[in-house]
Amino acid sequence: EVQLVESGGGLVQPGGSLRLSCAASGFTFSDHFMDWVRQAPGKGLEWVGRSRNKANSYTTQYAASVKGRFSISRDDSKNSLYLQMNSLKTEDTAVYYCAREEIHYGGNSAGYWYFDLWGRGTLVTVSS
Amino acid sequence: DIQMTQSPSSLSASVGDRVTITCRASQSISSYLNWYQQKPGKAPKLLIYAASSLQSGVPSRVSGSGSGTDFTLTISSLQPEDFATYYCQQSYSSPPWTFGQGTKVEIK
Repeated sequence: EVQLVESGGGLVQPGGSLRLSCAASGFTFSDHFMDWVRQAPGKGLEWVGRSRNKANSYTTQYAASVKGRFSISRDDSKNSLYLQMNSLKTEDTAVYYCAREEIHYGGNSAGYWYFDLWGRGTLVTVSS
Repeated sequence: DIQMTQSPSSLSASVGDRVTITCRASQSISSYLNWYQQKPGKAPKLLIYAASSLQSGVPSRVSGSGSGTDFTLTISSLQPEDFATYYCQQSYSSPPWTFGQGTKVEIK
């Protein structure tokens, strides 16, 4: 079955750290760019960051709100994506989703990126 | 960053109604626009990519249109399973990818 399963969420104090994991199955994980997207309680979706694949040197990109505090990594041998979260703030409280990026090439060879597979999410609560 | 603004923020509709949701980008994004549906407690689900391409398995009553800065998601005949929150998302050039604030479709 094609799926993503997140784990590692929980309650952490402000200033603390947490590491989330995302286990992929049913597809060739190493081919894909992978992202983290979060959703604060009762709020909308916010892109957190992206890990490109090996062909693109595993480079990462981050939202300004988490840059310097969060770090994305991956282990293709374990079909896993990770999110290391440091210096956590109360505003980081959210459900964190792992998402697979897919690309569609249009008639003009333009590449259109989108999230075609999502995990169920894991809740991170930052509170004292 | 590119800002995405959806309207309305919420709407009430009946089964069988035609529903249209609008998404506006703060700058031209060509057709780099995706639509997702999210039900309470569930992950988002891709409906439309590249502004008008229907994701596999999504019913044909769902359609997307637009280019540049203005986009629409249309459900031609609302069904009970369509009551949910809908988000647009731009994927122009490179991240940061940004989402609209969401449109909640409720039962009238």
